[in-house]
Amino acid sequence: DTAVSQTPKYLVTQMGNDKSIKCEQNLGHDTMYWYKQDSKKFLKIMFSYNNKELIINETVPNRFSPKSPDKAHLNLHINSLELGDSAVYFCASSQVTSWSRTQYFGPGTRLLVL
Amino acid sequence: GQQLNQSPQSMFIQEGEDVSMNCTSSSIFNTWLWYKQDPGEGPVLLIALYKAGELTSNGRLTAQFGITRKDSFLNISASIPSDVGIYFCAGLSNFGNEKLTFGTGTRLTIIP
Repeated sequence: DTAVSQTPKYLVTQMGNDKSIKCEQNLGHDTMYWYKQDSKKFLKIMFSYNNKELIINETVPNRFSPKSPDKAHLNLHINSLELGDSAVYFCASSQVTSWSRTQYFGPGTRLLVL
Repeated sequence: GQQLNQSPQSMFIQEGEDVSMNCTSSSIFNTWLWYKQDPGEGPVLLIALYKAGELTSNGRLTAQFGITRKDSFLNISASIPSDVGIYFCAGLSNFGNEKLTFGTGTRLTIIP
């Protein structure tokens, strides 16, 4: 009964490859997010979708393209992977109400680009 | 991008000691969240604060939303081994802008 799940947990790939990370939430939330955590553990938002619509798009290279087929899923596709893309990518979700703005995080996908 | 100043960066304490960490910002936040991250896992919510001056407890954890809305602190009383991990503060500004800004983290280590 995992709330926010991500696959794969580990991803090792060669530079120049294209890869996708998948995220699913079963909390019934209408907003989903992608965050990147670097080697110094700093967490930074990349994208946010609300009901399948992109609402936050930080300064992220065009090689990163999020896709939300429905409000329970938010996938991240990365083209032409570079060494600097190595990081942990976290998916999160929230249901914003007047009394709650809490974001719930998935377990992360550890991406290593060789 | 914007970053919250979190201190201390790391703490080495003995089991049973109390812990205090804080976050400060140059801008106002309307919501403060405190998360804990264990190795190999995602951040897990500890406490959410929605009103300036609010003091909220969750077991041995207590967090406060600063009255100026530019700071927050987290206290852990009587630390135990499972408290080890990285603690993050995070802030949200205007309602509707759900871009969570994270602090730099406090790494807590318990010395046996």
